[in-house]
Amino acid sequence: GAGVSQTPSNKVTEKGKYVELRCDPISGHTALYWYRQSLGQGPEFLIYFQGTGAADDSGLPNDRFFAVRPEGSVSTLKIQRTERGDSAVYLCASSSQAFGGGELFFGEGSRLTVL
Amino acid sequence: ILNVEQSPQSLHVQEGDSTNFTCSFPSSNFYALHWYRWETAKSPEALFVMTLNGDEKKKGRISATLNTKEGYSYLYIKGSQPEDSATYLCASSTFNDYKLSFGAGTTVTVRA
Repeated sequence: GAGVSQTPSNKVTEKGKYVELRCDPISGHTALYWYRQSLGQGPEFLIYFQGTGAADDSGLPNDRFFAVRPEGSVSTLKIQRTERGDSAVYLCASSSQAFGGGELFFGEGSRLTVL
Repeated sequence: ILNVEQSPQSLHVQEGDSTNFTCSFPSSNFYALHWYRWETAKSPEALFVMTLNGDEKKKGRISATLNTKEGYSYLYIKGSQPEDSATYLCASSTFNDYKLSFGAGTTVTVRA
């Protein structure tokens, strides 16, 4: 596709459930980022992929969060045993330049609501 | 994670008026400063990527300046239009931490 695609756009789940959020980056972009925006705050870094490997996962809040990018393209953010505090907009972005060298192209985000 | 601050948090502007707002960031080991515009129900869109002290960039009625020595950037909107209503995010990175750290944004509402 022409831009970064994220699915689902909205997800409502119950506390304790498992959730997967998908990101399809711009074709050819090797760098992929996940950010999370909670109400009233700026986007918070979660994880950065360069190709298939997670180059930096220091932003993942705890071991309930995990992300993969097995073929260096589509990425999935996985959240186990969701908590109400996980409610946020999860943003994915890709870039043609590695290691923060260029602008990020964002998707529209996946809004997660944990009841 | 860098401490990036934006002010004001929100502002209302009459159509046709000009406005500006600020982003402050750590000046030590500065690498890049990004501005993004985020309209409701859309994806954040890059406005500017700036790296050089004293740099000024312009896109239509929107322009930005950068002072890396003192750690601030201004975004200016000239002759505001309703379509300028959005949240404007700035983000900074350093040479030893490439990932962008975002401010909380300035939400601009242009009244017709």
